[in-house]
This record gives sequence, C-alpha cells and structure tokens, in this order.
Amino acid sequence: GAVVSQHPSWVICKSGTSVKIECRSLDFQATTMFWYRQFPKQSLMLMATSNEGSKATYEQGVEKDKFLINHASLTLSTLTVTSAHPEDSSFYICSAAPGLAGAQYFGPGTRLLVL
Amino acid sequence: RKEVEQDPGPFNVPEGATVAFNCTYSNSASQSFFWYRQDCRKEPKLLMSVYSSGNEDGRFTAQLNRASQYISLLIRDSKLSDSATYLCVVRAGNNRKLIWGLGTSLAVNP
Repeated sequence: GAVVSQHPSWVICKSGTSVKIECRSLDFQATTMFWYRQFPKQSLMLMATSNEGSKATYEQGVEKDKFLINHASLTLSTLTVTSAHPEDSSFYICSAAPGLAGAQYFGPGTRLLVL
Repeated sequence: RKEVEQDPGPFNVPEGATVAFNCTYSNSASQSFFWYRQDCRKEPKLLMSVYSSGNEDGRFTAQLNRASQYISLLIRDSKLSDSATYLCVVRAGNNRKLIWGLGTSLAVNP
C-alpha cells in the first residue's frame, strides 16, 4: 500500500514556540494532502486540505494564520503551528491519496505537547 | 443529523465471536466508502474499501446498501488483535475530502 511518513513523531515545546511538522508521501505523488487533529477519545477532525502549488483550504473554525500550511512539492506538505499554546496540544496526523477517488493513507502522526 | 453515524459501542465480544457494525450516511451523492481501524494512540489504517456488490477480505466482509444509505462491516472469528476502534468513512462525489464517523469501539476478550 501507499506509504506516508510524518516527522517528528513527538514534540514537547514551551508556550509561544512555533512547531513545524512534515508530511511526505514516500512512494507516490500527492497533489492533495490532508491535515487532521485528534484530541484524546475524540474523533479525527479535518483541519485543512493542502494543495500543491496553491493555498490550503481550511475548515471552518481553523485559523489559517495559526496553522500555516505549505505544500511545496508533490511529495511534501508542512504544517506549522505558530506561537503554540497548551490548548494546541494534540495528535496531528496527515494523510494523502495516490489517486483521485481512492482511500487516504495516513502518516504515523505527531504528538504535540505544549507546556 | 451527523453526516456519518456509527454506534460508538463499546462492543465486548469473546474470541471467536462474529460481530457486525453498521454505519449510516446522510448524503445520497456519496460515492466512495471505506472502513478504517484505529488502535489506541495510533493513526487510522485502511481496513477495506466498500464496493457496491459487497466485498470480503479474509474474516472481514463489507456491505453497502445505497437505497438505505448504510454500510456494514462483519468480522468473523474475532481475534484479540481485532480490538480497536472501527471508523466508517464516506466521500461525497468528486470531493476528495473524507467524512468520518466517530468510530465504534471493539474489545475482543479472551
């Protein structure tokens, strides 16, 4: 199956720090990648759709200036959590799909803890 | 009404049991359907796509009923390793965004 990697897997940082998370599709090209967030015992929440070469599409209620997305190539999308605060502590997961209508494959996720 | 609804469970079953999960979706224009499983503190992993004619993968069988707008997953001969949360996922039309159910929790007991 398609492989998606994500880095780092764990981040612990102080409040006010910006944190960058990378998502890579390893064996396929992805014009679109997706960024999700999941709080403990809650469902996945789509934050934004990352589009290669153009602006990301953010879901309602997600601050685009807080969560900066850059999809600079067909295999890499980055999510930067700017000026992170403790309430941003969560499990951030990216996904990508090899084709237009197929399933999405997820990276292993990044656990962010903001102190 | 939620776009994708699942019974959250938990379902507690003994090893070897057969268990079925149902999921309903609200958008009749939905085109693609999937079941994912998510283990505690891990990312979701694709279990199987769901096709109109129904499909089987080993102990897992998925069915789609477009008229009633529901999807089912049947697990036969449950193993301890099947314990996880099972997520019903739907894509509407040409929109690449997936709509996720809240998941059904399964615990298979020895």
